[in-house]
Amino acid sequence: AQSVTQLDSHVSVSEGTPVLLRCNYSSSYSPSLFWYVQHPNKGLQLLLKYTSAATLVKGINGFEAEFKKSETSFHLTKPSAHMSDAAEYFCVVRGSGGSYIPTFGRGTSLIVHP
Amino acid sequence: DVKVTQSSRYLVKRTGEKVFLECVQDMDHENMFWYRQDPGLGLRLIYFSYDVKMKEKGDIPEGYSVSREKKERFSLILESASTNQTSMYLCASSLRQGPVYGYTFGSGTRLTVV
Repeated sequence: AQSVTQLDSHVSVSEGTPVLLRCNYSSSYSPSLFWYVQHPNKGLQLLLKYTSAATLVKGINGFEAEFKKSETSFHLTKPSAHMSDAAEYFCVVRGSGGSYIPTFGRGTSLIVHP
Repeated sequence: DVKVTQSSRYLVKRTGEKVFLECVQDMDHENMFWYRQDPGLGLRLIYFSYDVKMKEKGDIPEGYSVSREKKERFSLILESASTNQTSMYLCASSLRQGPVYGYTFGSGTRLTVV
């Protein structure tokens, strides 16, 4: 069994300040973890993924995430928010056993103030 | 880049109509998926397909069916549309089964049933 919890439904930051979007997961198997971004009225776009290589993963647009097995976390960060980062972000876990069907978090809406 | 194309961005249909949502991917991906996305509920899996003519029920298959006659095309069918099927529908594809493979999403179809 697997699950993913995004700890905040909304995160509000000012432009130029750091971004932290939190994600905890559970998985019976060694998981792969993903972050996707969805801009308004668009499909989801892959930001980055962890697949058991380096625990610090760098993605597009300056985002990165760190896999922490002891904390079962995969938080998404960015040093400095830009207005164009305002979007919905989804954390996704995909286990290495079973049917490999991924489980999506409910999403975190990132609001960026000028 | 892999492209997943959903034939319609916006659709308005009447209650009781049979509705077809089409999805085409252009990179020979084995797996295809249909999700619906509703505010506060995240993405919920309706059906998925591992290969041509294969289909599996997801978490919320009731009221829906699917067809995959060719590898590149995965159709979602609402046999008799109802107002509670008003939603954003997202199609996705993945190269193959396995935890390391991410999804490529289409831009979505926003369906309104009146």
